[in-house]
Amino acid sequence: GESVGLHLPTLSVQEGDNSIINCAYSNSASDYFIWYKQESGKGPQFIIDIRSNMDKRQGQRVTVLLNKTVKHLSLQIAATQPGDSAVYFCAENDNTDKLIFGTGTRLQVFP
Amino acid sequence: DSGVTQTPKHLITATGQRVTLRCSPRSGDLSVYWYQQSLDQGLQFLIQYYNGEERAKGNILERFSAQQFPDLHSELNLSSLELGDSALYFCASSARGGHSPLHFGNGTRLTVT
Repeated sequence: GESVGLHLPTLSVQEGDNSIINCAYSNSASDYFIWYKQESGKGPQFIIDIRSNMDKRQGQRVTVLLNKTVKHLSLQIAATQPGDSAVYFCAENDNTDKLIFGTGTRLQVFP
Repeated sequence: DSGVTQTPKHLITATGQRVTLRCSPRSGDLSVYWYQQSLDQGLQFLIQYYNGEERAKGNILERFSAQQFPDLHSELNLSSLELGDSALYFCASSARGGHSPLHFGNGTRLTVT
């Protein structure tokens, strides 16, 4: 199967809390990683990316952490909002022209 | 809005038939990718084109084929359709290829009855 996987299929958080979505990858040759958000009925939406020469990158309310030693990627969402409810995918590029996606984590935000 | 346009949005057809899905990439993007997403599954890479030429191939069935035209739009052809081909088919485009973000359309939902 594909090399990218996720630890938790579903994550439930309370509105206002921080969310952490994890992803493991197995291909040590991968050097580019992306997080996508997919809402029901829509295509995946780019959130943030990171290259293997970095271990942290911040966006608006989101932070991606990359640990190449253990081949682990995480997405942190600060002050989670109801609009953040979606399925989140990590994806990796192993220096070819294709992006390999994980199976996804469903984030549920409750009031 | 990602700028990637896919048509049609929905397609219902019978087993054994052939369909064509169409994708217009974002303005200026040379790479087009096709992915398949079955119910509650991740995205499976099918094929990629760059400026009209096939660049990478994934788990694409022999019954499926694609091409990218000189105006950079792409078509995915699915033939001898089976029930298991029912899925969402996404097109994505990027400026340079694998090391730049892919921007996805909203997909074509194919239902084979």
